[in-house]
This record gives sequence, C-alpha cells and structure tokens, in this order.
Amino acid sequence: GALVYQYPRRTICKSGTSMRMECQAVGFQATSVAWYRQSPQKTFELIALSTVNSAIKYEQNFTQEKFPISHPNLSFSSMTVLNAYLEDRGLYLCGARVGTEDTQYFGPGTRLLVL
Amino acid sequence: GQGVEQPAKLMSVEGTFARVNCTYSTSGFNGLSWYQQREGQAPVFLSYVVLDGLKDSGHFSTFLSRSNGYSYLLLTELQIKDSASYLCAVRDTNAYKVIFGKGTHLHVLP
Repeated sequence: GALVYQYPRRTICKSGTSMRMECQAVGFQATSVAWYRQSPQKTFELIALSTVNSAIKYEQNFTQEKFPISHPNLSFSSMTVLNAYLEDRGLYLCGARVGTEDTQYFGPGTRLLVL
Repeated sequence: GQGVEQPAKLMSVEGTFARVNCTYSTSGFNGLSWYQQREGQAPVFLSYVVLDGLKDSGHFSTFLSRSNGYSYLLLTELQIKDSASYLCAVRDTNAYKVIFGKGTHLHVLP
C-alpha cells in the first residue's frame, strides 16, 4: 500500500534557527507533494505545492525564502523552515498525490516547537 | 470572503448517527473531500465528492449541494472509536489548491 514517511516526527529549535524536514513516499511515485501547516489553533494552511516538471507554487503568506523546498525525484521532498519563530510552531504535513487522483496520502507530520 | 466552515464540536451517542456539516465559499469548485484526523496524527482520507447528491459508502456517507456550497458527512451506527476530528477540504478550480476547514471534533458518548 501507499505510505508516506516524514522525518523527524518532532523537533525543537531555538528562535531564529532553522530546521529541515523530509517527506518520503513509499510504494508509489508522487506526482505532486503539498506541504501544509496545521497551527496549534488547528487551522490547516497550504504552504506550497510541488509538482513534477513544474515550478514550486507557494501560497500567499509563504515564500521560498522562508520555506525552501527541494523535490529531486518522485519519492522524496524536503522543506526547511528558515529563521523559525514562535508563529512557525505547528504540525507540518506533507500530502503526496498519485497521478490525477484526488486522494492525498498524508505523512504523520513533523511537529515543530520553537523556544 | 472565501473559506471552508465547519462547527467546532459535535456530540452524539454510540449506536446512533452523527452529521458533520461543511459550508464553503470558493472562487471555483473542483471537488470536496472528507478526512478523519485523530489527535496528533495525520488526516486519513474518507471520501471525495464532485457531483450533487448522496454518496453512500457504508459507515460513512457524504452529501453535496454545489448550488448551496454545502456538504455533510454522515456517520451511522456510531462507535466510540469514531470519536475524532473530521476535516472538510474543498479543491478550488486551480487544480491542486485545496482549502481545509478547521475540522469538527466528534465526541461519541457511550
């Protein structure tokens, strides 16, 4: 079956530092990977969408300068949170989609705490 | 403005049913999905609808009315383990842009 792994599951970083998180699709090739942030208030926000052979599209309020994403192949994507501050706290989820299916397979998320 | 709205909480009794409502207002519509999310875990896909009407999938059924910007997720024969948050997500016309609601926390009482 389709599985999506995320690493690390939980991380703590000091305010102003950066951390990188990874997303790995196993058992299928992800034609697109979407990164989301679920805030402590449970708001679900799309950060960016990375589609094979297309430029990465960032949503309003999110920039490449703050959340650079690498999507080198159909199975792997990584995102870095640069210069993290308190408002960056939350659960970061990657959703991988196969072909044109609407189903997104989510990873378990990386929970980011900022001190 | 644009968005997806859901009630924050819902309670129901084991063995009965629960209906989770979702209303949306988006610039375009290209389908609506429902996800189940347990505390601290990733959302799990339940259903996808794009046409009006009721889609019966056994324990979970979904209804859509595009003209009213409204959908609901119906859970029948509730079990305690159905206690979770249920997220409504609308895909905008921009093919892969998906807007999530904040989720409805369903508490099933014994």
